[in-house]
Amino acid sequence: EVQLVESGGGLVKPGGSLRLSCAASGFTFSSYSMNWVRQAPGKGLEWVSSISSSSSYIYYADSVKGRFTISRDNAKNSLYLQMNSLRAEDTAVYYCARDVVFFSGGMDVWGQGTTVTVSS
Amino acid sequence: SFELTQPPSVSVSPGQTARITCSGETLPNQYVYWYQKKPGQAPVLLIRKDSERPSGIPERFSGSTSGTTVTLTISGVQAEDEADYYCQSADPSPTYVFASGTKVTV
Repeated sequence: EVQLVESGGGLVKPGGSLRLSCAASGFTFSSYSMNWVRQAPGKGLEWVSSISSSSSYIYYADSVKGRFTISRDNAKNSLYLQMNSLRAEDTAVYYCARDVVFFSGGMDVWGQGTTVTVSS
Repeated sequence: SFELTQPPSVSVSPGQTARITCSGETLPNQYVYWYQKKPGQAPVLLIRKDSERPSGIPERFSGSTSGTTVTLTISGVQAEDEADYYCQSADPSPTYVFASGTKVTV
């Protein structure tokens, strides 16, 4: 079964850091580009970051650029999001999602999400 | 970047047809993807590249395009179709953009 499972969410104070993980199974992880997408409470979906299959290309939304770092370990079938200098507005459910084709084809597999709460 | 615009809400009776529009000046040059999002669940890709339906998606979901507007049509709406629907596109930067979403009430 094709599956993505996120972990690492939690409660963190403003200015703090958190590292999210996404474990992939059921498909050849190294062949696909991957994304992080978030949904703040009561808000819509927001793209956060994308990484190509070999990590050669990485892109970020302006709202997280300079604070978040996306990475992957193809040997471990895992995707990561290092989040630093967290703000209240980063509070959201964070989803990892697989690209059908890098920035083309849509995101066809999604995890169930992990919740990040930034609050003092 | 660019913007995509959806109506905030659409109300439809069971068995009727719901149409959700997604507008953007750059859409003639970009593909649109549609997602269904239910509370507490992961988003589901309904339509890719404006009108292609992935395997496993019911035939009642279809997509079409005309100029700067792309439309998701749900034919024969069922109670289980009550959800939020989002269109998404990508520009050459590249950047992914989601519209603000449409709440479909059945």
